[in-house]
Amino acid sequence: KQEVTQIPAALSVPEGENLVLNCSFTDSAIYNLQWFRQDPGKGLTSLLLIQSSQREQTSGRLNASLDKSSGRSTLYIAASQPGDSATYLCAVHSPAGTYKYIFGTGTRLKVLA
Amino acid sequence: DAEITQSPRHKITETGRQVTLACHQTWNHNNMFWYRQDLGHGLRLIHYSYGVQDTNKGEVSDGYSVSRSNTEDLPLTLESAASSQTSVYFCASSGSPQGALYEQYFGPGTRLTVT
Repeated sequence: KQEVTQIPAALSVPEGENLVLNCSFTDSAIYNLQWFRQDPGKGLTSLLLIQSSQREQTSGRLNASLDKSSGRSTLYIAASQPGDSATYLCAVHSPAGTYKYIFGTGTRLKVLA
Repeated sequence: DAEITQSPRHKITETGRQVTLACHQTWNHNNMFWYRQDLGHGLRLIHYSYGVQDTNKGEVSDGYSVSRSNTEDLPLTLESAASSQTSVYFCASSGSPQGALYEQYFGPGTRLTVT
């Protein structure tokens, strides 16, 4: 059974820092992995999706990498800003042939001005 | 622009009542999902549908039902609401007509309180 873990559960950093959020999964047979952002009281906003054949995806200050063999993905945020404060969730699409996602419990990020 | 809408956004109901939460998407996606989000559990899949007339149980389906009569809508029904079903409910859809990415898009959520 696929399990997805995100550590740490919470993180506080000063503005301007580059930071890395981690996502681990137990079964490497994934179809793709998606990173989301969730603001308090809001829905989930898709940030990046990485297909199983890809190593990384970039969007602006965000870069997500995928290492299937080690069961890990990282979300790199460059030059963090207070507006980046939110909960970040990763989800794996597993197994291939279905369309279900398994979610991690998220990392709550606070960027201090 | 395409979107997913959910209604109501907030609902308070009493134990034992039947409740239906609406989900409507204009992405023309085949796949639709209902999740609940609770502290300490993250997002858990309740039911999902791969197309019209197709429904499937997720990991926490007891006490819930769905029906899919068209592409755009997947209403979620709580047959007899229980306090344990107090939660935030999210609807999502995925699947481009080109069948490429299966990126999931989420609605804004419905906060349900069962008293």
